[in-house]
Parts: sequence; structure tokens; C-alpha cells
Amino acid sequence: KQEVTQIPAALSVPEGENLVLNCSFTDSAIYNLQWFRQDPGKGLTSLLLIQSSQREQTSGRLNASLDKSSGRSTLYIAASQPGDSATYLCAVVEDSSASKIIFGSGTRLSIRP
Amino acid sequence: NAGVTQTPKFQVLKTGQSMTLQCAQDMNHEYMSWYRQDPGMGLRLIHYSVGAGITDQGEVPNGYNVSRSTTEDFPLRLLSAAPSQTSVYFCASSYSPSGGTLTDTQYFGPGTRLTVL
Repeated sequence: KQEVTQIPAALSVPEGENLVLNCSFTDSAIYNLQWFRQDPGKGLTSLLLIQSSQREQTSGRLNASLDKSSGRSTLYIAASQPGDSATYLCAVVEDSSASKIIFGSGTRLSIRP
Repeated sequence: NAGVTQTPKFQVLKTGQSMTLQCAQDMNHEYMSWYRQDPGMGLRLIHYSVGAGITDQGEVPNGYNVSRSTTEDFPLRLLSAAPSQTSVYFCASSYSPSGGTLTDTQYFGPGTRLTVL
């Protein structure tokens, strides 16, 4: 059974630092992997989607990488800002039917001014 | 576009009561889904639909019913509420251009916080 793990559960860094959030999954046979942001009391906002054939995706200060063979994905945030404070979740889609979408429990990120 | 809307935002039920959580999207998305989010457990898929008239079960479907009579609406029904169904419920939608495959990102509603006493 696919399991998605995000460690650490919480992270606090000073403003301006570059940081990496980690996501690991147990079964490498995935269809795609997505990173989401969730602000307190709000829904999820999609940040990046990586298809299984891709190695990375970039959007502004965000870069997500995917290594299927090792069951890992990372979300790199450059020059962090207080507005980046949120919970970041990764989700693995196991097949094209979209019936199996497994979320990690998230990393709560706090950027100190 | 309003995107994905959910009502109500908050609800308190007593054990055994029934209710319907509403979800609507105005993006003409074929794929819609319902999740529940519990502390420390991430989101878990309850039910999903790849188009009007087509629904299927996700990871945790017991105690919930869905129907999809239109492309826009995807209501979630709790048949007989139990304290274990206390959670935050999210509806999501995405455009699936090729036979029901999830090839693009999902858009999420703001959530419904449900408490069952």
C-alpha cells in the first residue's frame, strides 16, 4: 500500500533563507506527484505538478524535483518570505483513473521576519 | 469565475442526523472529488466522479453517498452522522481532457468544518 511521508512536520527558518521540503513515497509506480500549499482555515492551492516522466518543475521561486527510483520528491523554496508561511502537502497519484490519490500529512512552514 | 464553492462553512450535527454538503464549480471540469482532512493524517479521498452520472469510491467511502446529476454540482451526503465523521471536508475539481485521467492540477474549495456530537 502506497504511503506518503513528509518530514519534518514543522519547520521554522529566518526570512531570506533557501529551504527544502521533503516528501517520500513507498511505491515508485506513480502517475504524477503534486505539491500543494494550504493556508490556515483555507483550501489547498496547487503549486507544482510533476508527471512521472519528468524530473523537475519550476514556478518562480519554487522548484520541485522527482526521483521515482528512490521514492523522493523535494520542494525547494528560494529566498523565503514571511508570506511563504503555510502548510505544504505533497500528493501522489497512483494511476490515470485518479482513484488513488495519496496525500502526505504536510510540513507546517513558518518564516520568521 | 467563482472556482469551487462549498456550503456550509461550518456545521454541527448530532449523532444520527443526516445532511448534505454542497459543492459546485463553474469551470466546466469533468472530474470532481471529496476529501476529508483529519489532524496528522493528510487528506483522504472519499468519493470521486469523472463526469455527470458517473461516481466511484475512494479510500474512505463508508457512511457517505454522492451523486452527479450535472457537471457543476457534486453533493456529499452523510446518511447517519457519527462522531468519527468529525472532520474538515474539501471538494476539488479538475479538467480531465483525455478519458478521465488526472493530467492537470486540482482546484480546491475552502472546506466545510463538520462537528458531530
